[in-house]
Amino acid sequence: DSGVTQTPKHLITATGQRVTLRCSPRSGDLSVYWYQQSLDQGLQFLIQYYNGEERAKGNILERFSAQQFPDLHSELNLSSLELGDSALYFCASSLQGYGANVLTFGAGSRLTVL
Amino acid sequence: AQSVAQPEDQVNVAEGNPLTVKCTYSVSGNPYLFWYVQYPNRGLQFLLKYITGDNLVKGSYGFEAEFNKSQTSFHLKKPSALVSDSALYFCAVVDSNYQLIWGAGTKLIIKP
Repeated sequence: DSGVTQTPKHLITATGQRVTLRCSPRSGDLSVYWYQQSLDQGLQFLIQYYNGEERAKGNILERFSAQQFPDLHSELNLSSLELGDSALYFCASSLQGYGANVLTFGAGSRLTVL
Repeated sequence: AQSVAQPEDQVNVAEGNPLTVKCTYSVSGNPYLFWYVQYPNRGLQFLLKYITGDNLVKGSYGFEAEFNKSQTSFHLKKPSALVSDSALYFCAVVDSNYQLIWGAGTKLIIKP
């Protein structure tokens, strides 16, 4: 157990639907990162939050949004889902908000869009 | 442009033989370099990092990596491979915005 908790572990939904993925960072970590991992595109950085504020944005689609709450947990919202959104979504956390910090990853949420 | 490359999609090694997983980078300034490993159906796990100092960095599970500034490389090595080392390995470097740039990953297969 890495200390980063992601729910749900598996999710199957239909095109056009909306889902929410949840992440609780490791105790004491202030920064949360979201990544998408698909078979043909490797690991894609989506977005980062630090202590409730957006810190960096990567290749996140406009249909996707995220936030970090005062208790530091984070949610990634995916809407108007398409077949191509099927992927593993990872959350990672770090003590501070800079890339030189070691990231601790959760086990991931596997999203299947049918 | 700042980047990191893992030139091999897959590396095959016999158990007991030494292994090397290659990584080259291109960033401005002094690089901060990382290796992470992803076992099947698991999240990524930190293996080791280079920030400054000794060019040979030792990490978890008997892995080490050699930083070579002139060749802009940070290859991952292990003297004697185990079947349990079979996994996906990612190299990453911190860019000038203090964000991680990830390599595409290298699948390491250790055959008994």
